Amino acid sequence: GQQLNQSPQSMFIQEGEDVSMNCTSSSIFNTWLWYKQDPGEGPVLLIALYKAGELTSNGRLTAQFGITRKDSFLNISASIPSDVGIYFCAGSTPTGKLIFGQGTTLQVKP
Amino acid sequence: NAGVTQTPKFQVLKTGQSMTLQCAQDMNHEYMSWYRQDPGMGLRLIHYSVGAGITDQGEVPNGYNVSRSTTEDFPLRLLSAAPSQTSVYFCASRPNQGAYGYTFGSGTRLTVV
Repeated sequence: GQQLNQSPQSMFIQEGEDVSMNCTSSSIFNTWLWYKQDPGEGPVLLIALYKAGELTSNGRLTAQFGITRKDSFLNISASIPSDVGIYFCAGSTPTGKLIFGQGTTLQVKP
Repeated sequence: NAGVTQTPKFQVLKTGQSMTLQCAQDMNHEYMSWYRQDPGMGLRLIHYSVGAGITDQGEVPNGYNVSRSTTEDFPLRLLSAAPSQTSVYFCASRPNQGAYGYTFGSGTRLTVV
């Protein structure tokens, strides 16, 4: 079946540092999405990418849809304490299935 | 708008009991999905639906049934609960055109003892 490999599994950084995480797949997806989950809540959409090669920003967040359509990365610049949470990549298939990576747990030290 | 509403928020079942997790959305979204979340496993797709009357299996469908009689509701049924089904369950929905991001409910935490 389709699987997404997300790395790193966890990160512990100092406030103000930049963060990078990525996601790879053995399958092609037509849409890549990045979500953030806070404790006790459902995931919330951060960025959606619809075209291979697309680079999209949302404030301090930047994400790219890989040219091969099998990978994506998310960068967070100048991290702040409220960036703490679990970040998930997800790939959407033409049939409407949304498959998630295992998640990256981010901790930010003030 | 309430968005995606899941009930109950917490549930404890005994092995072998049955129950239905409810999910309702008021955004007229065609697509709806159920996920389970376990530590270190991310969110795994159980079942999904692209419209009323249409359902399909996801990655981990065994032990779960779904139906989609209306656009608004997508209940998830556990016919005979097992300890392996202890998890946090999320329902999500999105329109079939335009933005592809699913909107998630706040989850149901299920414990099977």
